[in-house]
Amino acid sequence: DAGITQSPRHKVTETGTPVTLRCHQTENHRYMYWYRQDPGHGLRLIHYSYGVKDTDKGEVSDGYSVSRSKTEDFLLTLESATSSQTSVYFCAISSGRDYNEQFFGPGTRLTVL
Amino acid sequence: AQSVAQPEDQVNVAEGNPLTVKCTYSVSGNPYLFWYVQYPNRGLQFLLKYITGDNLVKGSYGFEAEFNKSQTSFHLKKPSALVSDSALYFCAVRGAGSQGNLIFGKGTKLSVKP
Repeated sequence: DAGITQSPRHKVTETGTPVTLRCHQTENHRYMYWYRQDPGHGLRLIHYSYGVKDTDKGEVSDGYSVSRSKTEDFLLTLESATSSQTSVYFCAISSGRDYNEQFFGPGTRLTVL
Repeated sequence: AQSVAQPEDQVNVAEGNPLTVKCTYSVSGNPYLFWYVQYPNRGLQFLLKYITGDNLVKGSYGFEAEFNKSQTSFHLKKPSALVSDSALYFCAVRGAGSQGNLIFGKGTKLSVKP
């Protein structure tokens, strides 16, 4: 998985609780992305980062926030989890050069009860 | 806006037969197209990409894809399917702007039977 780890790999939580997912990379890539995968929707971009402390919103950013205080770590936070945020979350990286493919982490399966 | 369509939710193929997984796209500007494969409980793995040049792109695991500008298609193909090719396949197009994100299709489940 191109030196990308995600933690936790599985999580079950209750509605209204905060949740933080971590993405860690070892190859010093500039760009990092958070996607969610849902049946019938493919993958949709939540947030992305183009450097330390540089982040921006994606297609489905409502209810999510991110932080990137170090190059290697990109955190995704659900401030108050809802059942609609039950999903599989994937982190991805790219070198940021034009047209480069992205490489994906193994995913985190989140269930919000 | 950039978009990708995968018209088939599932494709069934017998082992040894050729396979095609369809993808059409809509973009403003030049299309930068990708195919990814996802095995059960795994992340997405890059298969191949089209940026420019030859319309037939070769990738990993014996897969290839044909770019057709007039039909705005980028179909994934393999001459002889294997049971181990059974997986979920995603077509993607690079999003507009400089952030480099991908816009994904909904995915096509490929089932190869012995």
